[in-house]
Amino acid sequence: GAGVSQSPRYKVAKRGQDVALRCDPISGHVSLFWYQQALGQGPEFLTYFQNEAQLDKSGLPSDRFFAERPEGSVSTLKIQRTQQEDSAVYLCASSFRRNSYEQYFGPGTRLTVT
Amino acid sequence: EDQVTQSPEALRLQEGESSSLNCSYTVSGLRGLFWYRQDPGKGPEFLFTLYSAGEEKEKERLKATLTKKESFLHITAPKPEDSATYLCAVPYNTDKLIFGTGTRLQVFP
Repeated sequence: GAGVSQSPRYKVAKRGQDVALRCDPISGHVSLFWYQQALGQGPEFLTYFQNEAQLDKSGLPSDRFFAERPEGSVSTLKIQRTQQEDSAVYLCASSFRRNSYEQYFGPGTRLTVT
Repeated sequence: EDQVTQSPEALRLQEGESSSLNCSYTVSGLRGLFWYRQDPGKGPEFLFTLYSAGEEKEKERLKATLTKKESFLHITAPKPEDSATYLCAVPYNTDKLIFGTGTRLQVFP
């Protein structure tokens, strides 16, 4: 299918390691979002791109979190010096155009920091 | 501050036993309300968008309704395959969604 894909699906990192999570949005989708979902909670917004421009990064919990989308397609969420509280599922979503609000989600990457 | 609250947190139903899930919101200038279904280990799957009070949308055994302060997801004669977590969300500022914590639905045969 042509849905949103994310890799890896599972990542185990030792505390202090850096990790990179990849998102491939649906082809042609302008907007891309990253969310963090803790166990038993709803997704929480991290950051938003329109094409290659990062328009909102207000949800990033600390300066250890960094996201990029250099060519307006694939996006990478990087977490430096991981901490145990970073353990969560990281979800990527894309939408066809700005203000469409109908976001289509990938399967997520489950990050476990030991 | 804009908020989305869902109830109940968990719901156990017998197959065929109809019920409703609630999503209440406090947001100025509502630009839509979204319902998603999430299965374990998967990302949320889009179900419905509602834009104005009085609007209703249906899909198989699910019907979503919207008032000025809340939305309901009615499940008619549910089947075990309807078991999932149901999330509602509203858009805020730059298109990001604010989600509720979800209702975990279990339907037993």
